[in-house]
Amino acid sequence: AQSVAQPEDQVNVAEGNPLTVKCTYSVSGNPYLFWYVQYPNRGLQFLLKYITGDNLVKGSYGFEAEFNKSQTSFHLKKPSALVSDSALYFCAVRDRNSGNTPLVFGKGTRLSVIA
Amino acid sequence: NAGVMQNPRHLVRRRGQEARLRCSPMKGHSHVYWYRQLPEEGLKFMVYLQKENIIDESGMPKERFSAEFPKEGPSILRIQQVVRGDSAAYFCASSLSGDNSPLHFGNGTRLTVT
Repeated sequence: AQSVAQPEDQVNVAEGNPLTVKCTYSVSGNPYLFWYVQYPNRGLQFLLKYITGDNLVKGSYGFEAEFNKSQTSFHLKKPSALVSDSALYFCAVRDRNSGNTPLVFGKGTRLSVIA
Repeated sequence: NAGVMQNPRHLVRRRGQEARLRCSPMKGHSHVYWYRQLPEEGLKFMVYLQKENIIDESGMPKERFSAEFPKEGPSILRIQQVVRGDSAAYFCASSLSGDNSPLHFGNGTRLTVT
């Protein structure tokens, strides 16, 4: 079975400071990993994904995430937060060897960037 | 290129009525997924369909819920005899293929059962 844990329900950060949103995963094989962002009353928007290769993945809006196999983590980061980054962030995983199983999402982390 | 289109955006039903939620995937996408979102619970997978086939319905309740993705037309999520616990936001997503392709989400249908 595959699962995702986002240990923080809420992350608060001051504008201009670096931000980290944590994610750990569990799969029986190797993972495909994704981050999505959701703004109020909207669907989820794709930010970035890890498939293979370089452990540091760069995505939209200046976000990046680092795949750490030994810690089974895929934390989302940004060097300098903007107020407009305030939103709900979801990490998701799929086992690469699981055929057509759907993406499994974490419960989400609400990011609040304070001016 | 239009994104994933869901309608209606808001749907109000009384207990016992039927709810029909529609989803038109992005052009060229043949994989459709339905998720349900409840506050504090994140996004829960319901069903995964390809054209005319249900691939995985492990997240969908066995009773009252059904889904289809016909050869022509949108995907439909149907909830019969709705109850208050069915109130949630229902999101449809589509993808080009079923492996590592990102999902593209619609803006959801917010179902309220009174």
